[in-house]
Amino acid sequence: AQSVTQLDSQVPVFEEAPVELRCNYSSSVSVYLFWYVQYPNQGLQLLLKYLSGSTLVKGINGFEAEFNKSQTSFHLRKPSVHISDTAEYFCAVSVSTGGGNKLTFGTGTQLKVEL
Amino acid sequence: DVKVTQSSRYLVKRTGEKVFLECVQDMDHENMFWYRQDPGLGLRLIYFSYDVKMKEKGDIPEGYSVSREKKERFSLILESASTNQTSMYLCASSPPGLAGLPNEQYFGPGTRLTVT
Repeated sequence: AQSVTQLDSQVPVFEEAPVELRCNYSSSVSVYLFWYVQYPNQGLQLLLKYLSGSTLVKGINGFEAEFNKSQTSFHLRKPSVHISDTAEYFCAVSVSTGGGNKLTFGTGTQLKVEL
Repeated sequence: DVKVTQSSRYLVKRTGEKVFLECVQDMDHENMFWYRQDPGLGLRLIYFSYDVKMKEKGDIPEGYSVSREKKERFSLILESASTNQTSMYLCASSPPGLAGLPNEQYFGPGTRLTVT
């Protein structure tokens, strides 16, 4: 079975500073990786996804992530954060079973951007 | 825009009550999902459905059942609510991916259920 580890439960950062949110996965088969964001009192929305091809994936709001198969990681980065990036971020992995796209989520990282 | 709606944002029920959480999507998606979200535990899959009248257990199905009589609607049922089912419940839907690849899931705003 696959699993996802987000080591940092909270990441405080000052506005305009760079940020990296860490995600490691485990799976014995090929994986597909996602980052979702949840703003306060809202559902989740997709930031970016890796299915195949280039290991550097660009998403919305200036975020990007790099798939590293040897380190089983998919860390999320942004070179300069804004107050509006304050939210909870979830990494998720999918292993295609041929019957749909079930996702396994990490425990989330709360990003708090301060002035 | 894809829209996933959930019947209530907040719900308070008593222990032992039968509880229905409704989810409707307007994009004709085949796949629908129910998750619960708890602090420090992330999202955990309760049940999912690939088609009308089809359902499969997720990681934590105990104490829950589901119903999918129409493609756009996926209901989560708590047969006898207990206090440990107090949580945020999120519904999601997705179309099938191309060539078996997974596709994005679209989430509703969530229902915060309190069982007293």
